[in-house]
Amino acid sequence: TQLLEQSPQFLSIQEGENLTVYCNSSSVFSSLQWYRQEPGEGPVLLVTVVTGGEVKKLKRLTFQFGDARKDSSLHITAAQTGDTGLYLCAGGDAGNMLTFGGGTRLMVKP
Amino acid sequence: EAQVTQNPRYLITVTGKKLTVTCSQNMNHEYMSWYRQDPGLGLRQIYYSMNVEVTDKGDVPEGYKVSRKEKRNFPLILESPSPNQTSLYFCASSNWDRVGEQYFGPGTRLTVT
Repeated sequence: TQLLEQSPQFLSIQEGENLTVYCNSSSVFSSLQWYRQEPGEGPVLLVTVVTGGEVKKLKRLTFQFGDARKDSSLHITAAQTGDTGLYLCAGGDAGNMLTFGGGTRLMVKP
Repeated sequence: EAQVTQNPRYLITVTGKKLTVTCSQNMNHEYMSWYRQDPGLGLRQIYYSMNVEVTDKGDVPEGYKVSRKEKRNFPLILESPSPNQTSLYFCASSNWDRVGEQYFGPGTRLTVT
């Protein structure tokens, strides 16, 4: 099984601050996804990155896939309280299994 | 509305009493999967199915069974639940060629005493 490590595990910041969350692996992934999960709900897909070096933006969220397709980052600009949640990265392999990272729990305080 | 539904949402049971958690999706997805989520261990895949009558083990299949008799349904069966299966369970589905882009159900919180 391929492993995905996320850092930091916990992050508590004030509204308006910027932050970056990392997702690292020693394995190459054909694609990598970022999900957000709120308490009492299932994860919801935010973005898929496929090409090494790819950068995708979703409003204040910027996602980057590493050149070697082994790592990814999520940057949030001017965080808002609505960004609070558990952020999960996930990678797919050729065997149709999806591996999830341990998650980064983000708390944005007003 | 496109969705994945799970039932029940909450379940408390005793060791050894067989139970089934149902999962249904209305998006005509070929791929369906079950995960368990535990503090400190994240989301781990239990079983997945690429299509009707095709199922495969994930990372933690011990103690679980699944079946895929219809495209829309993918029940999770615990024949003899044990306390270490106390967890939050999620069902998910996707198109066969977009396995990374899964739609998740709302979760089933299971407690085995």
